Amino acid sequence: QVTLKESGPGMLQPSKTLSLTCSFSGFSLSTSGMVVSWIRQPSGKSLEWLAAIDWDGDKYYNPSLKSRLTVSKDTSNTQVFLKITSVDIADTATYYCARRLTMWYFDYWGQGVMVTVSS
Amino acid sequence: DIVLTQSPALAVSLGQRATISCRASQSVSTSSYNLMHWYQQKPGEQPKLLIYDASNLASGIPVRFSGSGSGTDFTLTINPVQADDIATYYCQQSRELPLTFGSGTKLEIK
Repeated sequence: QVTLKESGPGMLQPSKTLSLTCSFSGFSLSTSGMVVSWIRQPSGKSLEWLAAIDWDGDKYYNPSLKSRLTVSKDTSNTQVFLKITSVDIADTATYYCARRLTMWYFDYWGQGVMVTVSS
Repeated sequence: DIVLTQSPALAVSLGQRATISCRASQSVSTSSYNLMHWYQQKPGEQPKLLIYDASNLASGIPVRFSGSGSGTDFTLTINPVQADDIATYYCQQSRELPLTFGSGTKLEIK
């Protein structure tokens, strides 16, 4: 059974660094073709793809945010991390991690973690 | 970036057909694939994959959902619409990075 679950701080202040963790089970990120991606959704708005990391450690970023994003994974291939630097109110959203098998669509998603940026 | 345009809302009667469209700002098709995918999202839930590569039904999805299209114009059809289908539907392209999503179409009951 494939599951993904996001965790994060809930709330943080502007200009801080947001750190998110995606913990998953039921698959291995070391499997060829496997990718875990981060996608966010402000309340009432659409989805925005942020970043991804693949089985080989290659990283992919949305150019619009690339300078502020860092995606990484742990050595056991059971967690993926996302850091966003210099957050502001516009980064308030629900953040999802999702699995990609071999093509760039997402067959499993986490439940999402809500992050609020506020002073 | 490839921009995907969807109508904001669609109202249909239960038991009728719903047709949700997505238009891309440039072709998302290759010689082998139509790289458009559809998701359903209910309030407070994560998106769920319905259709991949324009017309392939994802695992566990009822056959009343279907997809079609190529190039820049794609359609998600729900026939017949059931009460459980009330949700927002998003298209997503994977022709090029960055991946982009449409703005979503909210399906409402007439």
